[in-house]
Amino acid sequence: ETGVTQTPRHLVMGMTNKKSLKCEQHLGHNAMYWYKQSAKKPLELMFVYSLEERVENNSVPSRFSPECPNSSHLFLHLHTLQPEDSALYLCASSQQFLAETSYEQYFGPGTRLTVT
Amino acid sequence: GQQVMQIPQYQHVQEGEDFTTYCNSSTTLSNIQWYKQRPGGHPVFLIQLVKSGEVKKQKRLTFQFGEAKKNSSLHITATQTTDVGTYFCAGAGSGGSNYKLTFGKGTLLTVNP
Repeated sequence: ETGVTQTPRHLVMGMTNKKSLKCEQHLGHNAMYWYKQSAKKPLELMFVYSLEERVENNSVPSRFSPECPNSSHLFLHLHTLQPEDSALYLCASSQQFLAETSYEQYFGPGTRLTVT
Repeated sequence: GQQVMQIPQYQHVQEGEDFTTYCNSSTTLSNIQWYKQRPGGHPVFLIQLVKSGEVKKQKRLTFQFGEAKKNSSLHITATQTTDVGTYFCAGAGSGGSNYKLTFGKGTLLTVNP
């Protein structure tokens, strides 16, 4: 499945580094999402974008900064992270966004992030 | 806030046995989705249930949504080794933030051939 791609697939960074995660969807969808998947914890929604407009910031610390330049691309800029931020970061997209309902989401392969 | 509990956390079966995972929400849901994540992979959408008491089938998989729209189940008949993975339910709230999915922790299914 190549509908949603993410780069890099693996990333190791120190706590003082700045890095960015990239997500691209080739499905013509209007909504994009960032999730965090940690061991033994449920998938956590971080951010939601609808047509490049942020519609959700789920109490995410400011060391995570999303950017959505267009409906096909989504970035997650990282700076001064903590070791507990180590996790699998998943990008997803859905055909459209309406506050009143949810749509099936297509996930990318994720970026495995390790903060040392 | 909304919580979605999923049990069991792990299930190991012999190939050919049946498997069921259960999902319970602390609040009424507008709909519920199910996803499967293979080891080392990413979640893949299986189905969405919307109506109270709804039952949907996909080959050997049967999905149910409770009458009160607070619980759901996934049943697999005669498991195969290809069924291995973690099955997640994800509930969408009602009343304002229905787009937001709250995921359960998932049930990891392993199948002994």
